[in-house]
Amino acid sequence: SQTIHQWPATLVQPVGSPLSLECTVEGTSNPNLYWYRQAAGRGLQLLFYSVGIGQISSEVPQNLSASRPQDRQFILSSKKLLLSDSGFYLCAWGRDRTYEQYFGPGTRLTVT
Amino acid sequence: AQKVTQAQTEISVVEKEDVTLDCVYETRDTTYYLFWYKQPPSGELVFLIRRNSFDEQNEISGRYSWNFQKSTSSFNFTITASQVVDSAVYFCALSPNNAGNMLTFGGGTRLMVKP
Repeated sequence: SQTIHQWPATLVQPVGSPLSLECTVEGTSNPNLYWYRQAAGRGLQLLFYSVGIGQISSEVPQNLSASRPQDRQFILSSKKLLLSDSGFYLCAWGRDRTYEQYFGPGTRLTVT
Repeated sequence: AQKVTQAQTEISVVEKEDVTLDCVYETRDTTYYLFWYKQPPSGELVFLIRRNSFDEQNEISGRYSWNFQKSTSSFNFTITASQVVDSAVYFCALSPNNAGNMLTFGGGTRLMVKP
């Protein structure tokens, strides 16, 4: 069976510090991968998606970036965090032609 | 462009009541997929159901049922005999039939089931 991991679970970072969130998927190959952000009490905003190694599409202009160095690894980064980057970050995976996405446990990021 | 609207931002019911969560969508695609997800207080989104645009049969899974009506572009979700454990935020989502299978989510409905 497939599982998706995210870490860390929670993170408190000062403004201007760098960020690296990691997501890995087990039990499948060549998945589509997604990063979402959910601000408190709000819906989900798609940030990045990837259909293969090194292929990243950005949905929202921001100071965040994403990379996919391996087939089942997806990393969300920032060089300098802003207060507005606070939120709940969710990684998800999916397959072409089955369409649903499966979500990881999420990372709660607080920028102070 | 795709759009999903969940007009009910918050619903409160008493345990054992039935409750229906509304979802209305907009798309120009003739083939598309609709989903419901549950987000309990822990935060992780749990996949509940997928429906494709060619299948308008209603579906029942235990206390959960879904009513897909293409004529009104709606995909409503009913919980029968609600329980406290059903308390969560529920999201409806839409995906066109394209590579990448990106989901467009509605704003979510917070369901509170009181004992």
